[in-house]
This record gives sequence, C-alpha cells and structure tokens, in this order.
Amino acid sequence: DIQMTQSPSTLSASVGDRVTITCRASQSISSWLAWYQQKPGKAPKVLIYAVSSLESGVPSRFSGSGSGTEFTLTINSLQPDDFATYYCQHYNKSPYTFGQGTKLEIK
Amino acid sequence: QLQLQESGPGLVKPSEALSLTCTVSGGSITSSNYYWGYIRQPPGKGLEWIGSFYYSATTYYNPSLKNRVTISVDTSKNQISMRLSSVTAADTAVYYCARQTIRFGSPGWFDPWGQGTLVTVSS
Repeated sequence: DIQMTQSPSTLSASVGDRVTITCRASQSISSWLAWYQQKPGKAPKVLIYAVSSLESGVPSRFSGSGSGTEFTLTINSLQPDDFATYYCQHYNKSPYTFGQGTKLEIK
Repeated sequence: QLQLQESGPGLVKPSEALSLTCTVSGGSITSSNYYWGYIRQPPGKGLEWIGSFYYSATTYYNPSLKNRVTISVDTSKNQISMRLSSVTAADTAVYYCARQTIRFGSPGWFDPWGQGTLVTVSS
C-alpha cells in the first residue's frame, strides 16, 4: 500500500500569512494527488486534484505543486475561513489512502 | 446539483453487521463517468477509504477491512449501500459517501461528499 505522510501535523499562522503543507508518498504516485479541506463537523471538500488543478469555485490563493513522491499545498494570504484541517489523498491505485491531516490554527 | 445523503442505524452492537445507504439526487449512479465511494472518519481522527463501486459492478475495497465490506447499488432507487460485518468498537466513525471522478478508467478524487452519518458500535 502507498502511505501518505503530511507535515506538519499542526500549523499555527496568522491572517495574511503564506503557508505550505507537504505531503509525501511512500512511492511514486505520478500526478494522482488531491487536496481536501475539512472544517469541524463538516464533510471534506476538494480543493485541488491532479496535483495542481483548482476545483471550480476554490479561491486562487490555493495552489498545489509537486510530482512523484513530494507534493505541496500552498495558501497565499490566509483568510479567516481557511483555518481548517487539510488532507492529501492519492489515487494512483487501490487502496486510495489519505494523509493523516494538517490542522491549520490561528496564531 | 448533485447531492448525497447517508442514512444508517446510528448504533450497532459488536459482532453485528453495519448497513448504510447513500441516496443520490441530482444525478444518476449509473453514469459512466463516476465511481461511488465510501470513506469513514473515527472521532477526532483522519480519513480512511473503505471502497469504491462502478455501475458495471467493478468494485475496489480497502484490504485493511479484511473482506468484511460489501458495496452494492439499487439503481431503481439511485442508492449505493455498504455493509460492514463483524463490527467492533474500532468501526465507530462518521461514514461518508462521495462521488469519485474517473481518471483513465480508474477511481480518482472524491467530490462531492455527503454530510456523513455517525455510527457507534457499542453494546
């Protein structure tokens, strides 16, 4: 199985900051990676798929990059609505595993 | 607009089977463009993929569930169902269903998701 490891597990930042979350795969997943945002008590929502394709309606301050085994989610100019937990997920092959999550907290 | 709604028992006794139904509105589960998946999230923990189903009956399951899970569909009701047998407290979680976009014939990312339903395993 492909393991997905996110870092950091928790990230403290302020409104207006630029933050980066990293997701590493235990083997190459090409460009088959998605990022999700989850707020407390809510279902996850896809932000980015295929590493860098922004889902419709997602603000352009979110961006993704990477290939192979290392990927990043960057949020420019953090807004109050962005404080949430973020997950990466590979879909290279079954089983389709998620990272353990990164909680973005207000500093 | 596509919407998914999970429904289930809420409380299941250990060793029994957990059965959930996901009702899809605003789109057909027989669409050739999508898989339909189940994902769960234990309280305070991360996301675990359970399985994915395609209308042609192609299915993928998480091997970690050790053959306890079965996903099926009722096309007349536009529903996807999941059955998890021999449950334990470790199966306590919020269970989500989600549409899964196809990429090169295989399951891809999940969007949209249902609101989720909490299932507690306890005697």
